[in-house]
Amino acid sequence: DQQVKQNSPSLSVQEGRISILNCDYTNSMFDYFLWYKKYPAEGPTFLISISSIKDKNEDGRFTVFLNKSAKHLSLHIVPSQPGDSAVYFCAASEGNYGQNFVFGPGTRLSVLP
Amino acid sequence: DAGITQSPRHKVTETGTPVTLRCHQTENHRYMYWYRQDPGHGLRLIHYSYGVKDTDKGEVSDGYSVSRSKTEDFLLTLESATSSQTSVYFCATLGQGRNTGELFFGEGSRLTVL
Repeated sequence: DQQVKQNSPSLSVQEGRISILNCDYTNSMFDYFLWYKKYPAEGPTFLISISSIKDKNEDGRFTVFLNKSAKHLSLHIVPSQPGDSAVYFCAASEGNYGQNFVFGPGTRLSVLP
Repeated sequence: DAGITQSPRHKVTETGTPVTLRCHQTENHRYMYWYRQDPGHGLRLIHYSYGVKDTDKGEVSDGYSVSRSKTEDFLLTLESATSSQTSVYFCATLGQGRNTGELFFGEGSRLTVL
């Protein structure tokens, strides 16, 4: 059973609008969460992270929200740009050691001009 | 950018042949990882290393072995490749200092086992 779920395999958004990517987890011991972005034929690149002591973290156009009681996090991209079109992976961890990271299956975001 | 290079980037091989994928990093990061990416599964950890000659198994280690003889190099070996090992393989290192907790990935190695 997947510990980290991204139930939307794909999402299409109009340029300039908000993109919301969702992620759910089952392990209540997870205390560190990350989002990675992946373009075709490239490796994933780190986007933003949040620890369980916070419920929100912002970095420019990207904001991650964490709802611990619901075991849910979301990534908001505002405004969305065509260059944001990529696959987004959510990851969760107990502590911030790489061997503990559990990745979701990814959501493919398409930002339409 | 952690300066991670993987080789080969693409390989086609036949069932039963041995395959070695190489990961080289230039950042002197202590921790290194091998993941595989498959549709519907995201990234799954195969093996990781926490120092020279120190390695451990990940979630999907069966059929794979690793070696780390130098800080900068981490090798993944498929002793006898099977079609189920057709995948894209990513090497990663764990950032240190201000990048603690951040994984840096290589560009991937696409392996096809016929």
